[in-house]
Amino acid sequence: GQQVMQIPQYQHVQEGEDFTTYCNSSTTLSNIQWYKQRPGGHPVFLIQLVKSGEVKKQKRLTFQFGEAKKNSSLHITATQTTDVGTYFCAEFNDYKLSFGAGTTVTVRA
Amino acid sequence: DSGVTQTPKHLITATGQRVTLRCSPRSGDLSVYWYQQSLDQGLQFLIQYYNGEERAKGNILERFSAQQFPDLHSELNLSSLELGDSALYFCASSVDANTIYFGEGSWLTVV
Repeated sequence: GQQVMQIPQYQHVQEGEDFTTYCNSSTTLSNIQWYKQRPGGHPVFLIQLVKSGEVKKQKRLTFQFGEAKKNSSLHITATQTTDVGTYFCAEFNDYKLSFGAGTTVTVRA
Repeated sequence: DSGVTQTPKHLITATGQRVTLRCSPRSGDLSVYWYQQSLDQGLQFLIQYYNGEERAKGNILERFSAQQFPDLHSELNLSSLELGDSALYFCASSVDANTIYFGEGSWLTVV
């Protein structure tokens, strides 16, 4: 089964609003990677977090890794229609990426 | 364009048949990964190769097999196909664990 749990499964956002998606694990994660998959597309690497408490920003996206390395979050500010897609968190361990189920984001214009 | 090339992009075949999906990794990437994505199972890891050798195995059925050739391209063979094997099959490659690049996938429909 999946080691990382993602919530919510679906996120419906009004354009211009902020939202956050969460990734949780019952065990300590070696790292956490985030991917975005547009409808009909393939997963695209966004970022990797490795250190406890790490925070990284990419324009309107803010990624955090929890102090205990058991959770991570992706916060998007001022949502745009280009943010539509499914966001996956994943841990790379034992030579493989183990993905969460993803958060599918739709945007109301 | 991730640099990972997968063929065919779409494939329709009948139950009981066998198909081969092909993947060319990014230039210089020694690691190749295969994933299956279906609506109810999400992204499931199948198998990983590094420089021709199998290094990790996930929930890959016995009817499925893969290999990586000396030129580093990889093939995923799916045999005795069932309706439930219909899915999007992704190949990915990497030079290290920090960034993994996915191809556009091969859509398999079993009818």
